[in-house]
Amino acid sequence: GAVVSQHPSWVICKSGTSVKIECRSLDFQATTMFWYRQFPKKSLMLMATSNEGSKATYEQGVEKDKFLINHASLTLSTLTVTSAHPEDSSFYICSANALAVPNEQFFGPGTRLTVL
Amino acid sequence: AQTVTQSQPEMSVQEAETVTLSCTYDTSENNYYLFWYKQPPSRQMILVIRQEAYKQQNATENRFSVNFQKAAKSFSLKISDSQLGDTAMYFCALLASNYQLIWGAGTKLIIKP
Repeated sequence: GAVVSQHPSWVICKSGTSVKIECRSLDFQATTMFWYRQFPKKSLMLMATSNEGSKATYEQGVEKDKFLINHASLTLSTLTVTSAHPEDSSFYICSANALAVPNEQFFGPGTRLTVL
Repeated sequence: AQTVTQSQPEMSVQEAETVTLSCTYDTSENNYYLFWYKQPPSRQMILVIRQEAYKQQNATENRFSVNFQKAAKSFSLKISDSQLGDTAMYFCALLASNYQLIWGAGTKLIIKP
């Protein structure tokens, strides 16, 4: 149980285009979903926290117009990188906590974004 | 502010040896949760072990155990009989009151055959 999927697992796009990453909780309802960015050999950096039906809360320094987060249901959150540029290339990870288990986060497998 | 510190950027041991990874943290909360996560080359985050601060007994999961010293704010991970598959990045994390995880910088563990 407690499986989180991400799609796509990797994506390559041209500079200036937008890319959408989906995060789904497959077998549970997620109270909250978290989006992280991870640079090579570095720790996870929290970008934003989202709750179903409300606006995401962004961490300081994260551009909300660049990284659009939508949390339309209790099982789906999306991250859209708008007008992507090479510096947006990174590994993006989502996680979710369940209504029944709020004290643990379940992680998706991550999405590798490469912007050419 | 809540912080998590891992002071060992990289460690390596021979297969079958025991290795201990260090983690210290700071929080003003009285009840909290601490975690060790493993991130293998696939980059999937895997929960290794968790500890609830109000429980005095150290958590154990098979070959993995923790030494939780609440007064010293220390939370080390011991891996016994290390295996090649244990090679990974290991992250220590503290769950904040708003359910966000505070992460350490990570320790790269290499198990040598």
